[in-house]
Amino acid sequence: AQSVAQPEDQVNVAEGNPLTVKCTYSVSGNPYLFWYVQYPNRGLQFLLKYITGDNLVKGSYGFEAEFNKSQTSFHLKKPSALVSDSALYFCAVRDPRDQGGKLIFGQGTELSVKP
Amino acid sequence: KAGVTQTPRYLIKTRGQQVTLSCSPISGHRSVSWYQQTPGQGLQFLFEYFSETQRNKGNFPGRFSGRQFSNSRSEMNVSTLELGDSALYLCASSYWTEYEQYFGPGTRLTVT
Repeated sequence: AQSVAQPEDQVNVAEGNPLTVKCTYSVSGNPYLFWYVQYPNRGLQFLLKYITGDNLVKGSYGFEAEFNKSQTSFHLKKPSALVSDSALYFCAVRDPRDQGGKLIFGQGTELSVKP
Repeated sequence: KAGVTQTPRYLIKTRGQQVTLSCSPISGHRSVSWYQQTPGQGLQFLFEYFSETQRNKGNFPGRFSGRQFSNSRSEMNVSTLELGDSALYLCASSYWTEYEQYFGPGTRLTVT
């Protein structure tokens, strides 16, 4: 079955330090991978995606993610965290063999950046 | 471009009633997907429409239905509401299925 796992419910980081939010997936073939961020009482905002090509993808607000096929991982990273990065982060995967745009989401990771 | 809009933003209904939620995608986007977000189950896919055709459906009972109009606007309907249907319902649109989905602010449904 297709699935996405975010092993950490919460990640705490000091402002200015690098951050990593982990994601692993279980989808056969070559999945499409996405990261979204959700602020309180708002919808999800798209950060970045991996479809094909370079394993390191860069996205909005200084975020980047590295696709590792052998480890089936797609970890989100940022070199220097900001307090304003505090939010709920979701990893999502789409099986390109699915006809429709069905995204499978991880359970989310709460990122807290302290000054 | 204007983003994805959803109406209403908040809704309170009683068990047994039905509800219709509306979604207007980003101009030019033909794919519209719906998701349910709850604290216990997280984000779950409901269904996806493309050019007025439902192409994929999640594991939800038949009480949940949807449709898409020729202008790509979409509605979802939940009949015979249950307490467990209380959730944030998110609509997302994309230009093509390989592209990222853009989400609306959601409709917060509370069933009492």
